[in-house]
Amino acid sequence: DTEVTQTPKHLVMGMTNKKSLKCEQHMGHRAMYWYKQKAKKPPELMFVYSYEKLSINESVPSRFSPECPNSSLLNLHLHALQPEDSALYLCASSQNPGETQYFGPGTRLLVL
Amino acid sequence: AQSVTQLDSQVPVFEEAPVELRCNYSSSVSVYLFWYVQYPNQGLQLLLKYLSGSTLVKGINGFEAEFNKSQTSFHLRKPSVHISDTAEYFCAVIKEYGNKLVFGAGTILRVKS
Repeated sequence: DTEVTQTPKHLVMGMTNKKSLKCEQHMGHRAMYWYKQKAKKPPELMFVYSYEKLSINESVPSRFSPECPNSSLLNLHLHALQPEDSALYLCASSQNPGETQYFGPGTRLLVL
Repeated sequence: AQSVTQLDSQVPVFEEAPVELRCNYSSSVSVYLFWYVQYPNQGLQLLLKYLSGSTLVKGINGFEAEFNKSQTSFHLRKPSVHISDTAEYFCAVIKEYGNKLVFGAGTILRVKS
């Protein structure tokens, strides 16, 4: 089983809202990732968690705040987003850092 | 740093015809290579991967790819496509012992009846 789940599937939020995206995997994977994908573009890496610690932050604005409460869960907290942050947010996991990544279905975010 | 070039942004093909989606990479170190497929409004699904060993890799849905180190290529092939193969295909590379997956720009495969 290589399932990564993400909730919600869709999210609409205003620029003053605070919301969170959730990602979950029960494969015992020790690395988890957040990607942002704009329309007609490839995914862009945002954050990498290895063994529940943040190992890579690709210079993401502070209005995006990742959190890894345990080895199965990854959250992305959103605050004061801009309309240009509207995108598909993808979560992925791998057994260990650098190994094959398995992606979730994504959360489609619209910022108004 | 490694990079990936997908030479075709769109590939139209008739149903039951063969198809090849091209991917070239550059890296100064050993890499692992992947092909992912993305259907409309969905996440990415792993099609196949090359880590080591045989250079011909078979994946799901009848796809295969060949790793060519001398030409730094990892082209994806399918001998006979179906309408359901219409999707966007991403080639990706990660350096050995690295943790940053780098994607190509993607190739949209359009299968026509």
